[in-house]
Amino acid sequence: ETGVTQTPRHLVMGMTNKKSLKCEQHLGHNAMYWYKQSAKKPLELMFVYNFKEQTENNSVPSRFSPECPNSSHLFLHLHTLQPEDSALYLCASSQGPAFGELFFGEGSRLTVL
Amino acid sequence: GESVGLHLPTLSVQEGDNSIINCAYSNSASDYFIWYKQESGKGPQFIIDIRSNMDKRQGQRVTVLLNKTVKHLSLQIAATQPGDSAVYFCAEKLSSGSARQLTFGSGTQLTVLP
Repeated sequence: ETGVTQTPRHLVMGMTNKKSLKCEQHLGHNAMYWYKQSAKKPLELMFVYNFKEQTENNSVPSRFSPECPNSSHLFLHLHTLQPEDSALYLCASSQGPAFGELFFGEGSRLTVL
Repeated sequence: GESVGLHLPTLSVQEGDNSIINCAYSNSASDYFIWYKQESGKGPQFIIDIRSNMDKRQGQRVTVLLNKTVKHLSLQIAATQPGDSAVYFCAEKLSSGSARQLTFGSGTQLTVLP
């Protein structure tokens, strides 16, 4: 138990569906992140939030839409995805964006049909 | 572009033997390095870190070695156990940089044989 909880753990969706991934951290951290992990590729940073303000959007397509209502919750809204978006989506948190240790959730395995 | 990479994508070791996982980095400005362990179905977990003012750091059953001359990082696991089976990857950044500046390697799959 890392203190970062992601739901759902598995998600299968069609290209026309709309779904959301949820992340919650119980560590009192101020920074939250979304990473994409594709098979045999390094982790790719997607979004960074600090005190619920987005500080980084790493050239992510608009079909991925993040939302951070408060420092403990982070969402990734998905719509009109492509099969190549199938991957493990990892949420992480840290005490602050100027680095403390990253704590990862267990990920949401997304399959786009 | 610059990248962090691993020499071998897979490594199999006998239970009880020592494991050595290697990582090459290309950004000579990086001065902070981390090793992560990712078990099947789980997220990455911090194992150990090292700063560039050190060439060796030890943890519980793990040792990280840093060779700045050849830009090489290694993770040594002593008396490897079945629970050590996982993907291990390194990450690098400037110590003054933020977490978003972490560059990750693609990982080595360690399999512990009975």
